[in-house]
Amino acid sequence: QSALTQPASVSGSPGQSITISCTGTSGYVGSSDLVSWYQHHPGEAPKLLIYEVTKRPSGVSNRFSGSKSGSTASLTISGLQAEDESDYFCCSYTGDSTLIFGGGTKVTVL
Amino acid sequence: EIQLVESGGGLVQPGGSLKLSCAHSSLSGTSDYISWVRRAPGKGLEWVSVLYTPGSTYYADSVQGRFTISRDRSRTIVFLQMTSLRAEDTAVYYCARLAIGYYFDYWGPGTLVTVSS
Repeated sequence: QSALTQPASVSGSPGQSITISCTGTSGYVGSSDLVSWYQHHPGEAPKLLIYEVTKRPSGVSNRFSGSKSGSTASLTISGLQAEDESDYFCCSYTGDSTLIFGGGTKVTVL
Repeated sequence: EIQLVESGGGLVQPGGSLKLSCAHSSLSGTSDYISWVRRAPGKGLEWVSVLYTPGSTYYADSVQGRFTISRDRSRTIVFLQMTSLRAEDTAVYYCARLAIGYYFDYWGPGTLVTVSS
């Protein structure tokens, strides 16, 4: 069982905003800002959406944003679009040179 | 643009071995940190291993003692030697560049490993 807990699924209608949470145990998330988020369509390469909790790489839509409160990091997708339907994963540095992914959240656009 | 391409996947019997390769071009020379990440059918992404420098390697508990990450002399190919393979190692394996802030900014398209008799 992952030490980063995400909801299994989140859904929303086009144009709405949704938020995916990522809650860490064992000090993950809460003790550092080294949290990143990825979008993954199976069969394709994962795509980096957010790094260091809030930073967005060049070329990623500003509809994706990240935040953190305590031991919970969050990814918000604003103006939900059909193309956002995918799997989303948080990832955290563990502090001992290793990394860990959350269990993943399936986003469905209604 | 940094590019990574995996190869070496295939069908292997339980208990067998397989060696994956990740060829990467880098704008910053040969000092990139490269990691392996996998996704099993119906499961999520799982971090597998990372190579910081020769001799500085780390593994997930699930593969510790069975998998070995290494780099060739040209430092442009990273390998993942997998031994004592199990059915639960069946997955698409991705290599990815680990950036300074401990995030994966470039990914390969993946290579499928199937462990089955």
